[in-house]
Amino acid sequence: NAGVTQTPKFRVLKTGQSMTLLCAQDMNHEYMYWYRQDPGMGLRLIHYSVGEGTTAKGEVPDGYNVSRLKKQNFLLGLESAAPSQTSVYFCATQAGASTDTQYFGPGTRLTVL
Amino acid sequence: GESVGLHLPTLSVQEGDNSIINCAYSNSASDYFIWYKQESGKGPQFIIDIRSNMDKRQGQRVTVLLNKTVKHLSLQIAATQPGDSAVYFCAENSGGSNYKLTFGKGTLLTVNP
Repeated sequence: NAGVTQTPKFRVLKTGQSMTLLCAQDMNHEYMYWYRQDPGMGLRLIHYSVGEGTTAKGEVPDGYNVSRLKKQNFLLGLESAAPSQTSVYFCATQAGASTDTQYFGPGTRLTVL
Repeated sequence: GESVGLHLPTLSVQEGDNSIINCAYSNSASDYFIWYKQESGKGPQFIIDIRSNMDKRQGQRVTVLLNKTVKHLSLQIAATQPGDSAVYFCAENSGGSNYKLTFGKGTLLTVNP
């Protein structure tokens, strides 16, 4: 039981390049989330999904796209990376009820030059 | 306690002392609260949670206190150990159909041996 995994762990991009971050979970959780964490800013929600085939915008969605084609996977895409997207990205999952805990992956550290 | 800004509030304690970390939450309608621990380079880790119908909840070496009157949450760590050194932050869920958490900025706890 791996819980929540994220790939890759580290990545360096040049401005304008694209990439996809993968979040995978084996807990059969309904809800999945993508956050970014920057110094002094705390965790900010980018996009989230309340079930397979659904996605919704969070607090800071601009410049990102997501897809939830399978229940266990939640993909975060950057179509044209910008230096402002340099951050640590965390995926989280939640079983389904509003009082359930969110469980986090280990993070992806992305640098955009 | 937590505050807005580039620098995290810090708490420095001696090994074996008790630690108290505070959090002021924003939404009086929030009905579920979580404390997370984040070690350097890792994802946030669930510590303990509490629902709004409770004032206190105890775990192993940790206690969470909730004061709804002043919208204040605290985390008490007994007999603090060097392994407790991390950033601690609270999260609130406003309940109902809202499955998004709002996170505090965090407090850096340093345990001196």
